[in-house]
Amino acid sequence: AQSVTQPDIHITVSEGASLELRCNYSYGATPYLFWYVQSPGQGLQLLLKYFSGDTLVQGIKGFEAEFKRSQSSFNLRKPSVHWSDAAEYFCACSGYNKLIFGAGTRLAVHP
Amino acid sequence: DTGVSQNPRHKITKRGQNVTFRCDPISEHNRLYWYRQTLGQGPEFLTYFQNEAQLEKSRLLSDRFSAERPKGSFSTLEIQRTEQGDSAMYLCASSPPEGRGTEAFFGQGTRLTVV
Repeated sequence: AQSVTQPDIHITVSEGASLELRCNYSYGATPYLFWYVQSPGQGLQLLLKYFSGDTLVQGIKGFEAEFKRSQSSFNLRKPSVHWSDAAEYFCACSGYNKLIFGAGTRLAVHP
Repeated sequence: DTGVSQNPRHKITKRGQNVTFRCDPISEHNRLYWYRQTLGQGPEFLTYFQNEAQLEKSRLLSDRFSAERPKGSFSTLEIQRTEQGDSAMYLCASSPPEGRGTEAFFGQGTRLTVV
């Protein structure tokens, strides 16, 4: 069965520090992978997506993610976190006719 | 185009009442999705429309839930005889017809509270 796992429920980093959010997927075919961000009370905004080709993808707001087929991972990274990055982050895999989401990682940023 | 629009943004209802939510997708998008999100969880798929046809329904969509997209434009999600367990954020998303990997654009959601 298709599934997405985000092992870290909550992460706290200091402003200016680097960030890595983990995502592991289980999908039988070539996965299409996404990272979305959700601010409190809001819908989801797409940060970046991976379909094929270069395994390092760049997104909005300075985020990037690396697809590693051997590890079934698609980790999200940012070299320097800003206070405005505090939000919930969801990794998703595109199944047939739907997105399958992980449970999310809540990011807190300390000044 | 202002994106996917959902109404109302918030709904408080008494247990046992019926509620209906509306979603207006991005105009050129023929695919529409409903998801449910509870606190601390990622969105869970409920149902999928391609134009006016409802092509997939999750087992989460009990017989108290019904969704329609009568003319392939806006969609409604109705919950009959609401229960406290129905309290959640209901998200609508739409995507263009290009293919499986096309991103879904989400609305801001309708937060339902059943008291």
